[in-house]
Amino acid sequence: AQSVTQLDSQVPVFEEAPVELRCNYSSSVSVYLFWYVQYPNQGLQLLLKYLSGSTLVKGINGFEAEFNKSQTSFHLRKPSVHISDTAEYFCAVSEVGSNYKLTFGKGTLLTVNP
Amino acid sequence: EPEVTQTPSHQVTQMGQEVILRCVPISNHLYFYWYRQILGQKVEFLVSFYNNEISEKSEIFDDQFSVERPDGSNFTLKIRSTKLEDSAMYFCASSPAGRNTDTQYFGPGTRLTVL
Repeated sequence: AQSVTQLDSQVPVFEEAPVELRCNYSSSVSVYLFWYVQYPNQGLQLLLKYLSGSTLVKGINGFEAEFNKSQTSFHLRKPSVHISDTAEYFCAVSEVGSNYKLTFGKGTLLTVNP
Repeated sequence: EPEVTQTPSHQVTQMGQEVILRCVPISNHLYFYWYRQILGQKVEFLVSFYNNEISEKSEIFDDQFSVERPDGSNFTLKIRSTKLEDSAMYFCASSPAGRNTDTQYFGPGTRLTVL
C-alpha cells in the first residue's frame, strides 16, 4: 500500500519570499503524483500533477513541482508567494492501475504574511 | 466553470440515525468518489463508483455505508446508523472518462457532526 508524508504541518513565510512544501511518498509500484490546494470553505483544487515524462511539472498560480524517483519525493515550489496563496496544500498519490484512488498526506498550511 | 456541488454544507445528527449526503458531480463525468477527513487527520478514500457499481472501497467503507446514483445527476453517500467516530468532513469528487480520468474534481465538502 502507498503512503504520503508531508513533513511540515505549517509553513509561515513573508510575501514575495520563495517557498518549498515537502512531500515524500512510499509505494511498491509506479505512481501518479498530485498537489491539491484548499482555500478556506472550498473544495480541493488541483494545482498540478505528474503522470510521466518530464520530472518538472508546472501548475496553476505559478507553482511547480519536481518528481524525484530516487528520493521518492515530489516537493512543491513557488519562487515568490502572494498573500492569496495562504491555504492548505495536500500532496497525493495514486498507484497506476488502482482505479485512481488517491492517498493523501496530512496537508501543509501555508501562511503568507505581509 | 462547472463544479462539483455538495449538500448540505453542515449536517448535525444523533448517534444511531441515518444520514444521506448528497453530491452533484460535473455533468459529463463518469467516475465518482467519496473521501472523508476526520478533524486533524488525513483525507481518506472511502469508495469509487463507475458504471453504476462500486469499483473499489476502503476498509472504512463497511456495511453501514452505501452509495447510490439514483438519477443522472446525483451521487449519494448513506450512513445507516451513525457513530460518533463518523464525525468528519466528507468530500465528493468526480473525474471524466478519457485522458484526464486521473484528475479528480472535488466538492466543498459536507461537515457531519454526530452527537
